Amino acid sequence: ELKVEQNPLFLSMQEGKNYTIYCNYSTTSDRLYWYRQDPGKSLESLFVLLSNGAVKQEGRLMASLDTKARLSTLHITAAVHDLSATYFCAVDSKTSGSRLTFGEGTQLTVNP
Amino acid sequence: ETGVTQSPTHLIKTRGQQVTLRCSSQSGHNTVSWYQQALGQGPQFIFQYYREEENGRGNFPPRFSGLQFPNYSSELNVNALELDDSALYLCASSLELGRGGYTFGSGTRLTVV
Repeated sequence: ELKVEQNPLFLSMQEGKNYTIYCNYSTTSDRLYWYRQDPGKSLESLFVLLSNGAVKQEGRLMASLDTKARLSTLHITAAVHDLSATYFCAVDSKTSGSRLTFGEGTQLTVNP
Repeated sequence: ETGVTQSPTHLIKTRGQQVTLRCSSQSGHNTVSWYQQALGQGPQFIFQYYREEENGRGNFPPRFSGLQFPNYSSELNVNALELDDSALYLCASSLELGRGGYTFGSGTRLTVV
């Protein structure tokens, strides 16, 4: 059974600081996704990573994938308050069928 | 291009009742997946429909059932509602079995009292 673990689960940081969220998964992945969720809202797609060494950046967020280590990271640069949300990684793996297996989420709070 | 729409947005049901949630997939998408997200948790896969057939099911009891119609819209039915069924239900549509990624709807918030 595919397992996806994120850490930390809760992250409180000051504006202007950098931090990294980690996502480990237990079997081979075909695609790895990062989503953002605001309270009471649906999931907003941030990145999809397809291959080993993939790196994608959008604004202050950068995601990377190491398929050998079964690890993805979401790096936040110079955080601003608008980034406060819950971030999920999700793995789409043929070994578990065509479905997304989500991590528990990282609740990020950026303080002024 | 229209996105994924879900209805209703909110509803309240009594324990033991039945509920039907609806999802219209994005234009051109033939695959619909349903997820349950309890408060403070990540979404959990319920099942997926591809070309009107169920294509995979998560760890949910048979009282969770679904349908996909020829236009690829979908329904999620839950019988004999329990308090623990209170959650946000998310529908995601995609091209062939997830190819090209998944587009999520805005969700239906179900409260069982």
